[in-house]
Amino acid sequence: DAGITQSPRHKVTETGTPVTLRCHQTENHRYMYWYRQDPGHGLRLIHYSYGVKDTDKGEVSDGYSVSRSKTEDFLLTLESATSSQTSVYFCAIRGFGDTGELFFGEGSRLTVL
Amino acid sequence: KQEVTQIPAALSVPEGENLVLNCSFTDSAIYNLQWFRQDPGKGLTSLLLIQSSQREQTSGRLNASLDKSSGRSTLYIAASQPGDSATYLCAATYNNNDMRFGAGTRLTVKP
Repeated sequence: DAGITQSPRHKVTETGTPVTLRCHQTENHRYMYWYRQDPGHGLRLIHYSYGVKDTDKGEVSDGYSVSRSKTEDFLLTLESATSSQTSVYFCAIRGFGDTGELFFGEGSRLTVL
Repeated sequence: KQEVTQIPAALSVPEGENLVLNCSFTDSAIYNLQWFRQDPGKGLTSLLLIQSSQREQTSGRLNASLDKSSGRSTLYIAASQPGDSATYLCAATYNNNDMRFGAGTRLTVKP
């Protein structure tokens, strides 16, 4: 499973509150990704990281920020959560080698009331 | 725009049947194509990855093919079992960091 742990796995919050989701990996993978999964849209890339303090935006980055101060942790922050950010969030890592294969965590279900 | 489409959205078959899931992509300049399985409430499990230079990959009862010129990939499942019931997702990777997903095919294998 590439040693990926997401926390929290479930969270209910109110509109306007800040939320941080954590992705932790144990195998020193360089590339880490945050996706969201919504019915009718499939999975969409929010942000990704290609090293400590190196991040870039994905397809749906508005309203989200990320940080990676250590190789093993990639944090996704919603500064002021909105109901449209209710979703299931998945962290992924790229495996070693040149194939580009991705491995996913179990997901974090966020509900914004 | 780079889009990935999976048809059908849902499929129900009796146990033992061979089946094919389809995936099409609009931009043939892919880096790789990956097939995943997702069980309800779970994450994605990687099944097979086909690099752009390859035509197919096999793992057990699964075989995935890739035809870049036509923008299509298929996942063949032989001798289906109830345990194969899940949602199957395909994803095309572009420029090594832009992975586009299809919406998935929900497969039900009836005993």
